[in-house]
Amino acid sequence: NAGVMQNPRHLVRRRGQEARLRCSPVKGHSHVYWYRQLPEEGLKFMVYLQKENIIDESGMPKERFSAEFPKEGPSILRIQQVVRGDSAAYFCASSPIQGRANTEAFFGQGTRLTVV
Amino acid sequence: GENVEQHPSTLSVQEGDSAVIKCTYSDSASNYFPWYKQELGKRPQLIIDIRSNVGEKKDQRIAVTLNKTAKHFSLHITETQPEDSAVYFCAAMDMEYGNKLVFGAGTILRVKS
Repeated sequence: NAGVMQNPRHLVRRRGQEARLRCSPVKGHSHVYWYRQLPEEGLKFMVYLQKENIIDESGMPKERFSAEFPKEGPSILRIQQVVRGDSAAYFCASSPIQGRANTEAFFGQGTRLTVV
Repeated sequence: GENVEQHPSTLSVQEGDSAVIKCTYSDSASNYFPWYKQELGKRPQLIIDIRSNVGEKKDQRIAVTLNKTAKHFSLHITETQPEDSAVYFCAAMDMEYGNKLVFGAGTILRVKS
């Protein structure tokens, strides 16, 4: 019974490159969240997705950032033309269907992005 | 949207003492309030949660209280141990409408032995 799997664990990109972060939710979970955590700071909401739908992207920067959760395969957070300020830990969390008794969100190990 | 405030930002206690962390939320529709513990370099892990139909919940040395009228909830850790040292995050969510978990800024708890 695998938990939330994120890869890669560590990612180094040069300024201007693209970063792709992957998240496979807990089996059977249909909701995925992405959070960004800067060093010694809290968890900032970025985007909330269900299969093939973006439900809430109010925390996503308007430019360079995009996310998807296709019918098959992992959720992807894509950052184009990375800048040094994008360096952070990016956590994915998944939860089962909303409005039910069991709504615990499970976090992955995170991807630590370093832009050099 | 929901806004969660958490206090204090850092807390140092002596081993064996109690620790209390407090959070307030703004959206009265929120009805699910989890607490997460994050050790250095690791993922946040759920330690306890409470739903709005309950005022208090306890699990061994950890307890959470909720005051819906005042829109605040608190985490209580009794008989603290060095392994309780970590960052603790509170969060709030409206379960019925597929909303997101909104986190507080976190509390760094240091338990001195």
